[in-house]
Amino acid sequence: EAGVVQSPRYKIIEKKQPVAFWCNPISGHNTLYWYLQNLGQGPELLIRYENEEAVDDSQLPKDRFSAERLKGVDSTLKIQPAELGDSAVYLCASSLGVGASTDTQYFGPGTRLTVL
Amino acid sequence: QQQVKQSPQSLIVQKGGISIINCAYENTAFDYFPWYQQFPGKGPALLIAIRPDVSEKKEGRFTISFNKSAKQFSLHIMDSQPGDSATYFCAASKNYGQNFVFGPGTRLSVLP
Repeated sequence: EAGVVQSPRYKIIEKKQPVAFWCNPISGHNTLYWYLQNLGQGPELLIRYENEEAVDDSQLPKDRFSAERLKGVDSTLKIQPAELGDSAVYLCASSLGVGASTDTQYFGPGTRLTVL
Repeated sequence: QQQVKQSPQSLIVQKGGISIINCAYENTAFDYFPWYQQFPGKGPALLIAIRPDVSEKKEGRFTISFNKSAKQFSLHIMDSQPGDSATYFCAASKNYGQNFVFGPGTRLSVLP
């Protein structure tokens, strides 16, 4: 079974440029998460989707960040415009969803963003 | 109240020794406590998890000890191996596994 797929793995951009990250969750997983991980720190939740609905986006900086999960499968996280402080690893995770007997979150390898 | 505290920040253990990482939380609504292992360049991977209705869970060389009254839980790695060298994160969530709050991580180095 394929794991969570993310692309690109690395991205270097100039500040004020836009950037987008893509995530394909494990097949059959209804819940999808985007996390931000700064160097030397634990992941911090940005947004959680149940199918195509964003059920928790309270930590998403909505002035510059946006996300979508069309058709409840793949998801895209966008930053526009990027700032120097956005340099971090962006992790996507998925889980079976509400009502499952286990709700283990499976993480992708992440996208390392560097903003110059 | 949403924070999870983790210590130590880094840990060096000799091969064959016991590695112990501690975490503490404040929110009594948390009901799921997983430990994740992360290697450089990889995403975190679930190692072992516990719910507050048990005080200990063991899987192979990995054991979680849970103290509900103290709001603390710890990871014990028995017979530590160089391949265990990684960063370990404790986490906590309420509503069964959703919206994890992660600790800051412990970088473990197991010397050969």
